[in-house]
Amino acid sequence: DVVMTQSPLSLPVTLGQPASISCRSSQSLVYSDGNTYLTWFQQRPGQSPRRLIYQISNRDSGVPDRFSGSGSATDFTLTISRVEAEDVGVYYCMQGTHWPRTFGQGTKVEIK
Amino acid sequence: EVQVLESGGGLVQPGGSLRLSCAASKFTFSSYAMSWVRQAPGKGLEWVSSISGNGGSTSYADSVKGRFTISRDNSKNTLFLQMNSLRAEDTAVYYCARGTSIPDYWGQGTLVTVSS
Repeated sequence: DVVMTQSPLSLPVTLGQPASISCRSSQSLVYSDGNTYLTWFQQRPGQSPRRLIYQISNRDSGVPDRFSGSGSATDFTLTISRVEAEDVGVYYCMQGTHWPRTFGQGTKVEIK
Repeated sequence: EVQVLESGGGLVQPGGSLRLSCAASKFTFSSYAMSWVRQAPGKGLEWVSSISGNGGSTSYADSVKGRFTISRDNSKNTLFLQMNSLRAEDTAVYYCARGTSIPDYWGQGTLVTVSS
């Protein structure tokens, strides 16, 4: 199975400051069609997961542009340019290239 | 707006069975693969199973293989998860999601508790 390793697992941030979450996969996530199926989800307290970013860097409709994704092959990053109070929650990366699908452990973002 | 709505969760004894349903609306259901993802209390997300749009291809996590069966009824826009031989470690909120490679829309989840 492809292991997805996120860091840090806990991320206290100051409002208005940037934040970055790393996600590393144990195998390349480049699929035979040339696409890389790396997705980022946000789960706010008490809510279902919400997709933020797909295929490394494509932001979903309605997602603020302070969220951005980058990376390639096995090394990926989610960046929040200026953290706002509504960004509190747990963030997960997920690979959709290989079977079984696997998630990172989750990174809990909280306000200092 | 696209909607997926899970139902069928509840309390079941170890070794028992339960069938979850996911009603989909506002999109062409048969054109999309669908997935089940679960989350144990206080834990992270775990992919459980996926099925292709026509139902001809299925995949399972090793942890549920041989015990769970995913299926769909495209005439009723509904996804199912038949869960047999349930164990305490299957206790979780079960989410239905559209897609499998980059799942976009998720339901609110249905809680399955396996306990005597």
